[in-house]
Amino acid sequence: GNSVTQMEGPVTLSEEAFLTINCTYTATGYPSLFWYVQYPGEGLQLLLKATKADDKGSNKGFEATYRKETTSFHLEKGSVQVSDSAVYFCALSSGAGSYQLTFGKGTKLSVIP
Amino acid sequence: EAQVTQNPRYLITVTGKKLTVTCSQNMNHEYMSWYRQDPGLGLRQIYYSMNVEVTDKGDVPEGYKVSRKEKRNFPLILESPSPNQTSLYFCASKVSSGQGTNEQYFGPGTRLTVT
Repeated sequence: GNSVTQMEGPVTLSEEAFLTINCTYTATGYPSLFWYVQYPGEGLQLLLKATKADDKGSNKGFEATYRKETTSFHLEKGSVQVSDSAVYFCALSSGAGSYQLTFGKGTKLSVIP
Repeated sequence: EAQVTQNPRYLITVTGKKLTVTCSQNMNHEYMSWYRQDPGLGLRQIYYSMNVEVTDKGDVPEGYKVSRKEKRNFPLILESPSPNQTSLYFCASKVSSGQGTNEQYFGPGTRLTVT
């Protein structure tokens, strides 16, 4: 079956530090890959996505590249801000006929001034 | 404003007392889903619906029921809640076109405590 593994948290960084959150996946076919973000007290919202190999998703300074050869979709940001403090979820949606999202366990990021 | 709404946002109840958590979306989405979020486990799908009158089990359906009588609403029913159903619940919806490539829109969550 499908699965997503992301790095355990929590992660604490100083403002303007570089962020990487690792995500690897196992899936049949050609999944779409997503990063969702959950700010404190809120629901999940889509941060970025990639739907085929070598695609790069980007939004709000965050980037992730769909690497089929390493089955990875690592999230990166060059300079984090306090407002980026949240829980980040890597997820995949497998191919034709399936709408189900499979989530990683989430990584809590805290950015300190 | 396009949104998914859930009610109530917070609920404390006792074992065995039936409850319903409502979910409504105003985006005319065909697909709707319920998830529960637990520490260390991430989000797990409970039930989903591809369209009106079409529902199916997700990964953790035991102890839950759903119905989809109207396109916009997808209530989650706990007929006899137990403490192991204490969790944070999210409803989500998406369009059906594009299969798995389109994002799901999530509600704000319902925090349920069963004592």
